[in-house]
Amino acid sequence: QVQLEESGGGVVQPGRSLRLSCAASGFTFSSYGMHWVRQAPDKGLEWVAVIWYDGSNEYYADSVKGRFTISRDKSRNTLYLQMNSLRAEDTAVYFCAKDRLRLTISPGIYGMDVWGQGTTVTVSS
Amino acid sequence: QSALTQPPSASGSPGQSVTISCTGTSSDVGGYNYVSWYQQHPGKAPKLMIYEVTKRPSGVPDRFSGSKSDNTASLTVSGLQAEDEADYYCSSYAGSNNLVFGGGTRLTVL
Repeated sequence: QVQLEESGGGVVQPGRSLRLSCAASGFTFSSYGMHWVRQAPDKGLEWVAVIWYDGSNEYYADSVKGRFTISRDKSRNTLYLQMNSLRAEDTAVYFCAKDRLRLTISPGIYGMDVWGQGTTVTVSS
Repeated sequence: QSALTQPPSASGSPGQSVTISCTGTSSDVGGYNYVSWYQQHPGKAPKLMIYEVTKRPSGVPDRFSGSKSDNTASLTVSGLQAEDEADYYCSSYAGSNNLVFGGGTRLTVL
């Protein structure tokens, strides 16, 4: 079945780095745009970044631009989020999510229909 | 990239209808027909309920419907059931390859 599984979360000090992974299965990974969305404790959802299905473009929320990098490896069916210069306000559950439509170049405008269960990132000294 | 405005809470009795609003601007909700709604139960991943303002993915009950007027989108849940109790989030395209979410609404079934 279609599935996404995040990993790589943990506790990290401010200013340090962390890389999240999202393993995809059950669908043609290379045909879908992929996203990271985060949720701070007891807060709402915040879109973080998107990468096109072919990896040709990536876009970020202003809050993470210049610090986070989204990437994908089609040979491993895996999505990544490299997070540098982490801040306390980056503390959140990070979800990966799949675009609903294949082969589209859009930042989730057609909906994100499959989500992982999330991985928790805590930035604290 | 300001968050869309949703009421923090909404409620209704079983069998009733409830409508949740999502207010943005002409740069997001009002400017595009790309509003989605997500349902999230505590400790779970979000689930897509509505996309492109009014469309339901396969498997979502037709008790869930979406609409939009000017800068405000709405999600209506008819025939409320206990399992509809959850947090609901709207999202909208905001131009320049940006997506913005609402702050979320907690729906309580009385």
